[in-house]
Amino acid sequence: GQNIDQPTEMTATEGAIVQINCTYQTSGFNGLFWYQQHAGEAPTFLSYNVLDGLEEKGRFSSFLSRSKGYSYLLLKELQMKDSASYLCAVRDDSNSGYALNFGKGTSLLVTP
Amino acid sequence: GAGVSQSPSNKVTEKGKDVELRCDPISGHTALYWYRQSLGQGLEFLIYFQGNSAPDKSGLPSDRFSAERTGGSVSTLTIQRTQQEDSAVYLCASSLVQGNSPLHFGNGTRLTVT
Repeated sequence: GQNIDQPTEMTATEGAIVQINCTYQTSGFNGLFWYQQHAGEAPTFLSYNVLDGLEEKGRFSSFLSRSKGYSYLLLKELQMKDSASYLCAVRDDSNSGYALNFGKGTSLLVTP
Repeated sequence: GAGVSQSPSNKVTEKGKDVELRCDPISGHTALYWYRQSLGQGLEFLIYFQGNSAPDKSGLPSDRFSAERTGGSVSTLTIQRTQQEDSAVYLCASSLVQGNSPLHFGNGTRLTVT
């Protein structure tokens, strides 16, 4: 994960919108994934981008710009249950098979 | 089962002892991965199995770590002569072998070396 950067912590208010950014450097980009991880639980898959643009899935959207090595995860209508760590991960052809390189995660706190 | 199953969920061991962690992947997933997650750190790739191919062990931190996958299904990660720095959550994941296939993670084994 040394080539994947995302903010360590963010705080947002219930009902608001929050954008979590991720920048990456890779030699053989083959897709970017976002995961959600609640404390003490397994990471769960949220979204996948391989082409430039926005992918929308309910309250969550993810954007990718391959030329800029940049992605963001947009969470709308925040709920308290959205408090979790959000992990950005990149699939790189130079990696082992289909393994993902993960960033260190962004801890999101949603406040009332 | 429907998801990736790992056992034990928690393991406390004394420094110097060997431990064995087990992973049962999702049925039909030919790719299996082991990752390690330490407090405040990202997921660290350890090893990757794909079908009958030789595993990629490039992420294993030392020769005390080894893993097997029997019959293309269940995998075990073995840590010999455990050290305190081995304390972490060990996560197993499986996936289909397609570019857009996400990894599906188990709940992990929390290893504490005292």
